[in-house]
Amino acid sequence: EIVMTQTPLSSPVTLGQPASISCRSSEGLVHSDGNTYLSWFHQRPGQPPRLLIFEVSNRFSGVPDRFSGSGAGTHFALKITRVDAEDVGVYYCMQATQFPWTFGQGTKVEIK
Amino acid sequence: EVQFLESGGGLVQPGGSLRLSCAASGFSFTRYTMNWVRQAPGKGLEWVSTISDNGSGDNTHYADSVRGRFTISRDDSKNTVFLQMYSLRAEDTAVYYCASRLTHHFDYWGQGVLVTVSS
Repeated sequence: EIVMTQTPLSSPVTLGQPASISCRSSEGLVHSDGNTYLSWFHQRPGQPPRLLIFEVSNRFSGVPDRFSGSGAGTHFALKITRVDAEDVGVYYCMQATQFPWTFGQGTKVEIK
Repeated sequence: EVQFLESGGGLVQPGGSLRLSCAASGFSFTRYTMNWVRQAPGKGLEWVSTISDNGSGDNTHYADSVRGRFTISRDDSKNTVFLQMYSLRAEDTAVYYCASRLTHHFDYWGQGVLVTVSS
């Protein structure tokens, strides 16, 4: 099983300031089809998760451009250029390269 | 608009069974892979099961924690995916979400249904 490790687990941020979350996988995430199935999700309290980033660096439909994903191999990151109040919640990375698909533990982003 | 409506959750005793349903609308259901993901109270997300579209051979996959106890299936005539759960344990208590793969893994999610396993 591929283990996904996120850091930090909690991130107090100031509105308008940047934020960054790291995600490391225990194995490389390049699928046999050549794609890297690393995604990022955002979950607000009481809501289902929503897809932000797919295949490392591609923003999903409707996701603001202040969100960006990067990385390769076993190191990945989600960056928010300027945190907005609606960005609070928990962020998860996930790999769908190899079964069982696995999520990171989650990073809670809150406003200072 | 892509929408999912989960149902079938509730309180069940340890060792009991439950069947969850997820009715989909707003897209051509038969062509796409569907998934179940769960979230225990106050905890993170856990992938549970996946079923491919029937054109791909109806492939199914399960997390080790549920293999042999849960069965995923689909009825394309009703645009519905199911999760039949047997031998339920306290650790299966969670909100269960169905989620699609229309273009990307877990691109759309339902609101979730709560399953509580307790005596």
